[in-house]
Amino acid sequence: AQKVTQAQTEISVVEKEDVTLDCVYETRDTTYYLFWYKQPPSGELVFLIRRNSFDEQNEISGRYSWNFQKSTSSFNFTITASQVVDSAVYFCALSDTYSSASKIIFGSGTRLSIRP
Amino acid sequence: DGGITQSPKYLFRKEGQNVTLSCEQNLNHDAMYWYRQDPGQGLRLIYYSQIVNDFQKGDIAEGYSVSREKKESFPLTVTSAQKNPTAFYLCATGWANEQFFGPGTRLTVL
Repeated sequence: AQKVTQAQTEISVVEKEDVTLDCVYETRDTTYYLFWYKQPPSGELVFLIRRNSFDEQNEISGRYSWNFQKSTSSFNFTITASQVVDSAVYFCALSDTYSSASKIIFGSGTRLSIRP
Repeated sequence: DGGITQSPKYLFRKEGQNVTLSCEQNLNHDAMYWYRQDPGQGLRLIYYSQIVNDFQKGDIAEGYSVSREKKESFPLTVTSAQKNPTAFYLCATGWANEQFFGPGTRLTVL
């Protein structure tokens, strides 16, 4: 069965520290997408990144970077030099088909708190 | 302004009452989705619709109903049969490789 596990329920770090959010997934499909979303206190989900199963290249976007490893079924997210504005709940998610109404399966989220 | 709107932002309901949450999109997407989020949990799929006049149950459809009479609109009714309706509800549109989310409706049952 398809499943996304975010083992870290809450993380708290001091501003400017680096922090990594872990994500492990399970799927029987060979073709799938992985996502990260940010949910600030306002509640709206903000799309951060999408990675398809055929592209294992790591991605960097400013202070954000993502490490996708199919061998360990992991898609970890690192924030470098964290800032207070990074405080939010972060969700890792998995989409398991190309169909127009495929489900997106979410992990339970990691609440990240950045202390000044 | 393109996007997804949900109304109201906050909703209070007495036990035993049905209530309808609105979701409207102008992104011209065929597929629309309703998710429920409980504190400390991820999103769970309630219903989804691929095209007008068609919709499918998600993982937690019991106590909910939907309609899809127009491409732009996908309202969700929380019925009195839903045992624990207090939650944050998110509507989304898109497709397998990307979904766009509305701002959400926080429903509280008094």
